[in-house]
Amino acid sequence: AQSVSQHNHHVILSEAASLELGCNYSYGGTVNLFWYVQYPGQHLQLLLKYFSGDPLVKGIKGFEAEFIKSKFSFNLRKPSVQWSDTAEYFCAVNAVAYGQNFVFGPGTRLSVLP
Amino acid sequence: EPEVTQTPSHQVTQMGQEVILRCVPISNHLYFYWYRQILGQKVEFLVSFYNNEISEKSEIFDDQFSVERPDGSNFTLKIRSTKLEDSAMYFCASSEPNDNEQFFGPGTRLTVL
Repeated sequence: AQSVSQHNHHVILSEAASLELGCNYSYGGTVNLFWYVQYPGQHLQLLLKYFSGDPLVKGIKGFEAEFIKSKFSFNLRKPSVQWSDTAEYFCAVNAVAYGQNFVFGPGTRLSVLP
Repeated sequence: EPEVTQTPSHQVTQMGQEVILRCVPISNHLYFYWYRQILGQKVEFLVSFYNNEISEKSEIFDDQFSVERPDGSNFTLKIRSTKLEDSAMYFCASSEPNDNEQFFGPGTRLTVL
């Protein structure tokens, strides 16, 4: 069965610090990859996605992620975080051969201190 | 911008009761999904629905659960006899036929007493 892991349960940063959230998945076939963000009290919103092509994808709000196929990883990055980035971040993987459903990682809570 | 909506935002029920959670997907989307998130745990896939039938379901989606698209706009999740462990946030999502990006609703918090 496919699984998705996220390296950190809770990350605490000061404003302007750089961010990298790890995501690894266990599936060797073709995948579609996503990062979603959940701000406090709000629903899941798509930050960025990778289907094919350039493995470095840019999303909203200055986020980007890099797909490294050999490492089964899709890490999320942002060069300079803001207090408003405080949220829960979820990596999600769709194993194309298994259909449309997503397998989510456990989430990483990001707290940005002003 | 079109969005997925869900009602109610919070449902409280007694154990053993039936509940129906409602979702209105984005109008031109044809794939519909239900996920749940137990407090403090990850988001888990329950079921996907396409062309008026279930296309995939997880092992969580047992005989107590059913889904329906009763009309052209609503997509419902029914739990026939709720258990304490069904308490969770339930998210509906939808996607276009040729795009795997799923758009999520705000969720319904189900509390089973």
